[in-house]
Amino acid sequence: DAGVTQSPTHLIKTRGQQVTLRCSPKSGHDTVSWYQQALGQGPQFIFQYYEEEERQRGNFPDRFSGHQFPNYSSELNVNALLLGDSALYLCASSQIAGAMKAFFGQGTRLTVV
Amino acid sequence: SQQGEEDPQALSIQEGENATMNCSYKTSINNLQWYRQNSGRGLVHLILIRSNEREKHSGRLRVTLDTSKKSSSLLITASRAADTASYFCATVNTGTASKLTFGTGTRLQVTL
Repeated sequence: DAGVTQSPTHLIKTRGQQVTLRCSPKSGHDTVSWYQQALGQGPQFIFQYYEEEERQRGNFPDRFSGHQFPNYSSELNVNALLLGDSALYLCASSQIAGAMKAFFGQGTRLTVV
Repeated sequence: SQQGEEDPQALSIQEGENATMNCSYKTSINNLQWYRQNSGRGLVHLILIRSNEREKHSGRLRVTLDTSKKSSSLLITASRAADTASYFCATVNTGTASKLTFGTGTRLQVTL
């Protein structure tokens, strides 16, 4: 079992550009959540996808959008990048009917210059 | 926004000693979970305690939950150098399904 996989591991983008991050959930999991973790802080919830729809959303602007595919994998898109978007982006998968224990990927380190 | 605070922000102990970390939160919860993070990479789930439980054990880990004080503690007994990491508490708040709300974390350093 490969667990949760994220790609790419590192990314450098310029202000104003757009970025897409990808996540494949753990086998058997149907729910994917995305978190942003700034340096020295705890992760902050961006949004959650289940059955290809956004179920919940945190306090993030519309520049942050996502998608879930029929195979449960997910993408996080960020438009019009700002310097403040530099962070570690974490994907977590879980089962909607499970005990709410989440499995995290290793994250994508995004640097905006 | 963060759910609450963790205390202490940083903790340095010697191998063999016990480490205690505390977490406070603000709202009604469904459950509280503790996660570990090595070197700013992915988080690893350690233990989950439900709102109707008061104490839970898993190996060298002991978690307590006091819903009246909206607080939890994580005790790691007989610490090892490999326990060096950041530890986060995360709550699943009532009515928010499986969304995790994280605390600010405690950085634990275990020296030989």
